[in-house]
Amino acid sequence: QVVLTQSPSASASLGASVRLTCTLTSGHRTYAIAWLQQQPKKGPRYLMKVNSDGSHVKGDGIPDRFSGSSSGTERYLTISSLQSDDEADYYCQTWGTGLGVVFGGGTKLTVL
Amino acid sequence: QVQLEESGPGVVKPSETLSLTCSLSGGAFDDYFWSWIRQPPGKGLEWIGNIYHSGSTNNDPSLKSRVTMSVDTSKNQFSLKLASVTAADTAVYFCAREGSGGLDYWGQGILVIVSS
Repeated sequence: QVVLTQSPSASASLGASVRLTCTLTSGHRTYAIAWLQQQPKKGPRYLMKVNSDGSHVKGDGIPDRFSGSSSGTERYLTISSLQSDDEADYYCQTWGTGLGVVFGGGTKLTVL
Repeated sequence: QVQLEESGPGVVKPSETLSLTCSLSGGAFDDYFWSWIRQPPGKGLEWIGNIYHSGSTNNDPSLKSRVTMSVDTSKNQFSLKLASVTAADTAVYFCAREGSGGLDYWGQGILVIVSS
């Protein structure tokens, strides 16, 4: 069974960059993941798919400030030029045949 | 633009059945899986299950015995029934589309409170 692990919290200053991490269980290092953003009191918004080779495909209208990358079992979301409305919960999610959908526990990002 | 909207009662009595419908507009219904997800107050996202346009389903094992999903392709709608609810089923319920890159379109969510 695949498990996605995320740090519960992260923080960075306005205008700075931050990298969030989603770690897959070791037997699932070839899995792609998706990053989702959930602003306070809103439904999740799809950001991008990140593949095991580090390539990523963003959703409609996602700014260039958001990018994805990979290394081994880790999948990253980097947000540059942080803005106040980037303050949100960020979830990673994966999927597969017989697996259904699996979510990480989420990272709460605070913009200082 | 793909839009999803959940509808249903906001309050359900304990031991009764929660029933929700998700309506799709602006996109094709076929060739996708359609998921139900919930989020208890102050907690993370939990996958409930999904349904294909053909009607085949997959469920999270922890809820499987209580979950029924159905699809009405003529109305571009799919539905969730969760039986024998308790206070632990109080949550915001979302529907979402499973694209090739993950859950790429979401409804705004509907809060369902289990209370007598």
